[in-house]
Order: sequence, then C-alpha cells, then structure tokens
Amino acid sequence: AQSVAQPEDQVNVAEGNPLTVKCTYSVSGNPYLFWYVQYPNRGLQFLLKYITGDNLVKGSYGFEAEFNKSQTSFHLKKPSALVSDSALYFCAVRDRNNDYKLSFGAGTTVTVRA
Amino acid sequence: EPEVTQTPSHQVTQMGQEVILRCVPISNHLYFYWYRQILGQKVEFLVSFYNNEISEKSEIFDDQFSVERPDGSNFTLKIRSTKLEDSAMYFCASSSGRSLETQYFGPGTRLLVL
Repeated sequence: AQSVAQPEDQVNVAEGNPLTVKCTYSVSGNPYLFWYVQYPNRGLQFLLKYITGDNLVKGSYGFEAEFNKSQTSFHLKKPSALVSDSALYFCAVRDRNNDYKLSFGAGTTVTVRA
Repeated sequence: EPEVTQTPSHQVTQMGQEVILRCVPISNHLYFYWYRQILGQKVEFLVSFYNNEISEKSEIFDDQFSVERPDGSNFTLKIRSTKLEDSAMYFCASSSGRSLETQYFGPGTRLLVL
C-alpha cells in the first residue's frame, strides 16, 4: 500500500520569506516522490521528483525538496516565496514495486501575501 | 512545451446518460492514465493504459467505465451510465515510460451529473 499525508491544509507566508510545504509518505518498498502544483483552472503541473541519489532535489521555479528516509518525509521548500507561488500543492508517491498508480496527498493551499 | 489537452473543459449531463471525456496525450508518450478528484477529496487513480490495453485499474474503475485509444492521438474515458457520485474533475495524464517516469497532467474536465 502507498499513501501520502500533507498535514497542513493551508500555509500562509509573506513574500520574500521561506516557504515550506510538508509531506510524509508511507510505502511498503522504496518510494518515488513527486510534487505537483495546481493554479486555478489549470491542471496539475509537475514541479520536481525524487527517484534516487542526492536527497536534495531541485525543480522548477526555484523549488526544492529534501527526501528524508528516516522521517519518511519529502518537504517542499523555496527560500524566498513570491506572490505568484500562491497555488495548491500536491505531494504524490509511487512505490517502486508499482509501475503506474500515483497516490496523492490532500493538497496544501499556499498563500503568499505581498 | 508539449502539453496534455482535454476536452471538454466542463460537461453537464443527466444521471443515466453516457459521457465520453477526451484527452490528447503528449505525442511521444506511450503510457496513459485517468485520475479523478471529487470536490474536497484527494486526486484518485482510475486506470492506466499501455499498448492498447489496461495495465492497472483501481476499484473505482468498474464496468461502467471504459477507456480507448481510438486513433494515434486521442485517449478517451467513457462512463456508460452516469451516477450523481461520478461528479468530479477528471484528469488525463501521460508519461514516456512507467515507474520512475513523470506523469504529465492535462487541465481536467469538470463533470457534473444532475
């Protein structure tokens, strides 16, 4: 079985401040981990993924995420948030024993105030 | 940048009617997926499709659902007899491979069953 938890429904930060969106996962084997972002009336846009190797993964728009196996976490971070980063963020996991199905978290709404 | 497209963006139908949701995956992708998101709930996997056959399906994907790749570009999801609980946002996705490959999502079709 595979699942994801995003413990925060909402995250509010001021522009220029660091942004963190939390994600923890559960898989029976080893995970592939993904972050997607959804803007209003748009689909899910891929941000970054962890497959193997370096635990710190860098992605689009200045986002990065750190894979922590001992804490089963994959938190999304951005050092300096922009108002345009305001969106809905989804963490997703796939067990390496599973070829196809992604399991998503409930999503975290990020609001960056000017 | 290549994108997954979906039509229509919105569809309203009467309970018991058949609907067909259409998707055009990214052109060199070989793996295709449907997910859905009921309002206020998580994005859920429905089905994956490769080489003209279903490779994996969830328990949601019962006999009322079917998928087809009728030509070289389109990928469709058919719901034979819609129920109220089928009201959701339906996302199509595609990937160049399975497992560690990224799934790229379309903008979604919002289906409302009355």
